[in-house]
Amino acid sequence: LAKTTQPISMDSYEGQEVNITCSHNNIATNDYITWYQQFPSQGPRFIIQGYKTKVTNEVASLFIPADRKSSTLSLPRVSLSDTAVYYCLVGEYDYKLSFGAGTTVTVRA
Amino acid sequence: GAVVSQHPSWVICKSGTSVKIECRSLDFQATTMFWYRQFPKQSLMLMATSNEGSKATYEQGVEKDKFLINHASLTLSTLTVTSAHPEDSSFYICSAAGRSSALWGGYTFGSGTRLTVV
Repeated sequence: LAKTTQPISMDSYEGQEVNITCSHNNIATNDYITWYQQFPSQGPRFIIQGYKTKVTNEVASLFIPADRKSSTLSLPRVSLSDTAVYYCLVGEYDYKLSFGAGTTVTVRA
Repeated sequence: GAVVSQHPSWVICKSGTSVKIECRSLDFQATTMFWYRQFPKQSLMLMATSNEGSKATYEQGVEKDKFLINHASLTLSTLTVTSAHPEDSSFYICSAAGRSSALWGGYTFGSGTRLTVV
């Protein structure tokens, strides 16, 4: 299983861009990189997934360098409601995933 | 999109009783479902992998006789906490891979079940 490392916490202010970098040095060829968001007492929610280069959807962008040993989740113009724990996971379809500690993002007014 | 329904959302039970938690994939078939446990301010810990029609695979340290998992169909997996004790109080979450491997977009998680054993 590819292990991931991400910062424990990040603070930001409303309207700013938040970038969270995740290291996954032993990512395998078939592994995808997926980011999830979790609010207290809720199950994780899918944010974005990518394999290489850049992926963008309506809520975030995911930047993956050519060597795929890291990835960066970019949250544009965060609001108070973006305060949550963000998890970076690496794995392939139907394979068990291990959650790391995640990054607690706190957005202040 | 893929939806996973988990029930109940919360349950309080007496010590020594058993509690069943259901996890349903509503609009897709899930050949594999996963069960996690999460203690306050901690990350999710994988308990077991549930495959349709076969026995679940438990992670090291998880008692299979205490946490009974049944995956009888492609849309339903259940977790039964048997002879629950206060230390089993936790937040239990299931997840499943939606769609096929070719269209996979990550796992879909249930909303979680808060179990409190008194």
